[in-house]
Amino acid sequence: EIVLTQSPGTLSLSPGERATLSCRASQSVTSSYLAWYQQKPGQAPRLLIYGASSRATGIPDKFSGSGSETDFTLTISRLEPEDFAVYYCQHYGSSPEFAFGPGTKVEIK
Amino acid sequence: EVQLVQSGAEVKKPGESLKISCKTSGYSFSIYWVGWVRQMPGKGLEWMGIIYPGDSDTRYSPSFQGQVTISADKSISTAYLQWSSLKASDTAMYYCASAAVAGKKYYYYYMDVWGKGTTVTVSS
Repeated sequence: EIVLTQSPGTLSLSPGERATLSCRASQSVTSSYLAWYQQKPGQAPRLLIYGASSRATGIPDKFSGSGSETDFTLTISRLEPEDFAVYYCQHYGSSPEFAFGPGTKVEIK
Repeated sequence: EVQLVQSGAEVKKPGESLKISCKTSGYSFSIYWVGWVRQMPGKGLEWMGIIYPGDSDTRYSPSFQGQVTISADKSISTAYLQWSSLKASDTAMYYCASAAVAGKKYYYYYMDVWGKGTTVTVSS
């Protein structure tokens, strides 16, 4: 089973800054089957990125994903107030156990 | 527009049964996996299981096998999650979500449309 680790647990940044979130897999993720979701308080998760680097429909280009095999990154180029949220990575297409990472909270500094 | 509309919040006692629903619209319900995700208070996301409405093929995450039942009614494009005997530890938010890609081979795939969630509170 693939286990995902996200770092840091919390990222404290100011609006306008760049956010870099890491998602590391315990073994290689097949075909870059890695997605990222954003979840704001009281809301359902929203798909941002799939296939490690493809933006979902309607997602602005300030969000970008990169990486392969075991190391993946979500970058938010310039943080806006609405971007402060929790971000989860997910490996898909295989076992559901531990499919989601524990999340990174991006908070206002 | 694709929509997943979940049933309302529930407050139950331990030992009671419960069935919550996820009514879909705007797409071909039968050919997209629909999954259920649990989020306990202050915690992360956990896959519970998924169902392919076309033939009701259902797969459960090992942690939830035998604890819940997932079903679907194609005639009304609705998926369900049910418990026969609730525990206090079932207190959580439950989301349904649909796979982003049609087809049976895309199980446990990434999910592009989510319901708003159903809060379940189990307390004596």
